[in-house]
Amino acid sequence: EVQLVESGGGLVKPGSSLKLSCVASGFTFSSYGMHWIRQAPKKGLEWIALIYYDSSNKYYADSVKGRFTISRDNSKNTLYLEMNSLRSEDTAMYYCATPYFDYWGQGVMVTVSS
Amino acid sequence: DVVMTQTPPSLSVAIGQSVSISCKSSQSLVYSDGKTYLHWLLQSSGRSPKRLIYQVSNLDSGVPDRFSGTGSQKDFTLKISRVEAKDLGVYYCAQTTHFPLTFGSGTKLEIK
Repeated sequence: EVQLVESGGGLVKPGSSLKLSCVASGFTFSSYGMHWIRQAPKKGLEWIALIYYDSSNKYYADSVKGRFTISRDNSKNTLYLEMNSLRSEDTAMYYCATPYFDYWGQGVMVTVSS
Repeated sequence: DVVMTQTPPSLSVAIGQSVSISCKSSQSLVYSDGKTYLHWLLQSSGRSPKRLIYQVSNLDSGVPDRFSGTGSQKDFTLKISRVEAKDLGVYYCAQTTHFPLTFGSGTKLEIK
């Protein structure tokens, strides 16, 4: 059974940093690209980043480019999202997901507020 | 960016009725490999999104055949036949053809 489990969220102040993790199981993690997608409270879905299976390519939404970094450790079956210079508009539920959105984690909440 | 225009924003339907949701993209979603990467997701209240249909018309495992997807290029439709109570939630179309990947704004399905 495919499982994606996010962690690392919390309440932080504007300008702070936070690093999210997504531990994958039930499939060959090292063979697949992975996404981070977020959803602000009561809002729709926003794709924010993709990393290829071998980390050779990374893509970002303009809203996070230069502030967020996606990475992965295939030896640990883990996907990461390092978030710097956080803003109030980054407040959202953050999900990791497989390449064609076939599997999603349960999400982790990030709240940016003073 | 590819804009995904999803309509209607909400639907209220009686059990057993059929509904259709439209999703129109600002650009063709046909990728260079000839495939069209348009997917449909359902987000039930308080839950993560779940994919129902991939590449326009392919049902995910376990999805009842009351769900069907049609369309091509820039114009896509999700149809739900014989709506059941468990179908309620917000439906999203999503494209993975072009970067940045984009989603429709969602259609909230309510049961009368």
